[in-house]
Amino acid sequence: EIVLTQSPGTLSLSPGERATLSCRASQSVSSSYLAWYQQKPGQAPRLLIYGASSRATGIPDRFSGSGSGTDFTLTISRLEPEDFAVYYCQQYGSSLPITFGQGTRLEIK
Amino acid sequence: EVQLVESGGGLVQPGGSLRLSCAASGFTFSSYSMNWVRQAPGKGLEWVSYISSSSSTIYYADSVKGRFTISRDNAKNSLYLQMNSLRDEDTAVYYCARDNPSGAFDPWGQGTLVTVSS
Repeated sequence: EIVLTQSPGTLSLSPGERATLSCRASQSVSSSYLAWYQQKPGQAPRLLIYGASSRATGIPDRFSGSGSGTDFTLTISRLEPEDFAVYYCQQYGSSLPITFGQGTRLEIK
Repeated sequence: EVQLVESGGGLVQPGGSLRLSCAASGFTFSSYSMNWVRQAPGKGLEWVSYISSSSSTIYYADSVKGRFTISRDNAKNSLYLQMNSLRDEDTAVYYCARDNPSGAFDPWGQGTLVTVSS
C-alpha cells in the first residue's frame, strides 16, 4: 500500500499570501495518478488537480500542482477567503488500494 | 448538471446490514467507473470500493472485503453498496464519486451518514 504523508498538518496564513502544501509518497507514484482535493466543513471533497498538475474544470488558476516520483506540491498563489479548507492528496490508478493523505488544514492566521 | 445523490444511510446495530444507493444524473452513467469513499467523523478520506462501467472489474479495500458488495444498474443510473456485518468502525459519511477520464474522483455526491451503534 502506498502511504501518502501530507505536511504540514495545519498551515496558518493570511489572505493574499502564498500557500505551499506537500504530499510525500512511501513509494513512487506515476505523475498521471496524483490528485488534490479541497474539502470545506459539511461539504463533499472537490477535485482541484489531477495528473499531478492538471487543473479540474472550473478551478481558478491560482491553484497549481507540481512534482513527480514521491514528492508532490499543491501551491495556491494568492489566498482568497474561500480557500481556507482541508486539502487532501490522493494516488489512484498507480497501485491498489487507492489511498489519500491525512490532510492539511489551511486556516486563517 | 452532473449530479450524484446518495441515500440509504441511518442508524444500524453492530452486525446489521444496510444498503446505500447513489442516483446519477446529467451524464451517461453507463460510460463511467464509480467509487465509494467514506469519512469517519472528524477523520480523513478512505477509499472503499471501485466498479468499472460494465461491472466487469470490482475492487475493495481490505477493511471491507468479504462484508461489502458494490454493484450498479446502468438502466437505472444507480450505484449501490450492500454493507453486511457492520462494525462500529464502519461509522462514517459514505460518498459516491465518479471516475473522471484520468481516474481521479469527480464529482462527489453530498454523502450519506451511516452510524453503527447499539
